[in-house]
Amino acid sequence: KNEVEQSPQNLTAQEGEFITINCSYSVGISALHWLQQHPGGGIVSLFMLSSGKKKHGRLIATINIQEKHSSLHITASHPRDSAVYICAVRSGGGSNYKLTFGKGTLLTVNP
Amino acid sequence: NAGVTQTPKFQVLKTGQSMTLQCAQDMNHEYMSWYRQDPGMGLRLIHYSVGAGITDQGEVPNGYNVSRSTTEDFPLRLLSAAPSQTSVYFCASSPGPLAGGLRRYEQYFGPGTRLTVT
Repeated sequence: KNEVEQSPQNLTAQEGEFITINCSYSVGISALHWLQQHPGGGIVSLFMLSSGKKKHGRLIATINIQEKHSSLHITASHPRDSAVYICAVRSGGGSNYKLTFGKGTLLTVNP
Repeated sequence: NAGVTQTPKFQVLKTGQSMTLQCAQDMNHEYMSWYRQDPGMGLRLIHYSVGAGITDQGEVPNGYNVSRSTTEDFPLRLLSAAPSQTSVYFCASSPGPLAGGLRRYEQYFGPGTRLTVT
């Protein structure tokens, strides 16, 4: 079973700061997902990646397959970025659609 | 597209009652799954389906049943509710092998059902 560890568990930042959330996993994967969940809200997929780097607006996700590590960066953070960020990995390929989730990182951005 | 829909949004049950959580998607996705989310635990897979007529157990299946008679619907049944089943339940879907490359694994979540068992 793949173990997924996120750090930090909680993160408080001031508006405008650069944010980094880390995710490590124990077994080789076919894809890694970054998800966002606002308090009391649903879950939205931000990125799915298997190598390299992806960027969407102020969000950047990177993955290092050899080191089994991924990072989610938020540039110029804003209070609306306050949410729980969840890393999830899909092990194997083909018809394996099952995800293993980290416990999430609670980000609070203060104005 | 409405995406993934779930009903009800909130539900309170007494111990021993049964109920069905509804999940539907209108994207013709082959893969559907049910998760529960508990504080400090992360999301855990209850049951999943890789297509109509095919279901399988996930990490925490006890006390739950599922069926997949159509591509669109994937209901989750609580047979005899227990306080340990108090949780937030999320349904999700993925396109499956008909989509190309990694797109088959894209994950779409429903809005969740908050269930309290007293």
